[in-house]
Amino acid sequence: ETGVTQTPRHLVMGMTNKKSLKCEQHLGHNAMYWYKQSAKKPLELMFVYNFKEQTENNSVPSRFSPECPNSSHLFLHLHTLQPEDSALYLCASSPGTGQTDGYTFGSGTRLTVV
Amino acid sequence: DAKTTQPPSMDCAEGRAANLPCNHSTISGNEYVYWYRQIHSQGPQYIIHGLKNNETNEMASLIITEDRKSSTLILPHATLRDTAVYYCIVGYNTDKLIFGTGTRLQVFP
Repeated sequence: ETGVTQTPRHLVMGMTNKKSLKCEQHLGHNAMYWYKQSAKKPLELMFVYNFKEQTENNSVPSRFSPECPNSSHLFLHLHTLQPEDSALYLCASSPGTGQTDGYTFGSGTRLTVV
Repeated sequence: DAKTTQPPSMDCAEGRAANLPCNHSTISGNEYVYWYRQIHSQGPQYIIHGLKNNETNEMASLIITEDRKSSTLILPHATLRDTAVYYCIVGYNTDKLIFGTGTRLQVFP
């Protein structure tokens, strides 16, 4: 365990389903991130939250909806996804944007859209 | 786009030092160099970072050239568990680290 916990580890959903990914950290970090990693592609930054406020939306389609109720929890709500959205979704945290310490990543949620 | 260039793959014998190069010729004066690695199907793991001086921790050493246009990550005694994709990233801080394609290091017995 890295200190960043993601659930579920694996998720299969239909294109008409609604599901949510959860990320939790108890490292005392103030910034949290969602990344997407498709097969044989680099990690793509999706969203950045700093002190619960979204500071970055990297042109992510609206079918992905993030929520950050507090500095320890981050959600990614999914609805009407497409098969090409199948990927490994990674959550990370850091002490805070503007600081130089590294990220701590979770183990990811492997999402398959059928 | 990632601002670093890394070889796509490298091999290393177990027990030997693994030296992973990274070019970042457009690095700005206040940008740090970060290294992460990703073992298959897991989240990336932070290894080390530096600004100008060489750095060492329990995992690795980071050597940054004087002009800061390139760096080398050194794993002093590679083991089979070091087989992974290694990412070199430059950034001012951790606002939004942009990952490239990295170097796939294969450690063989």
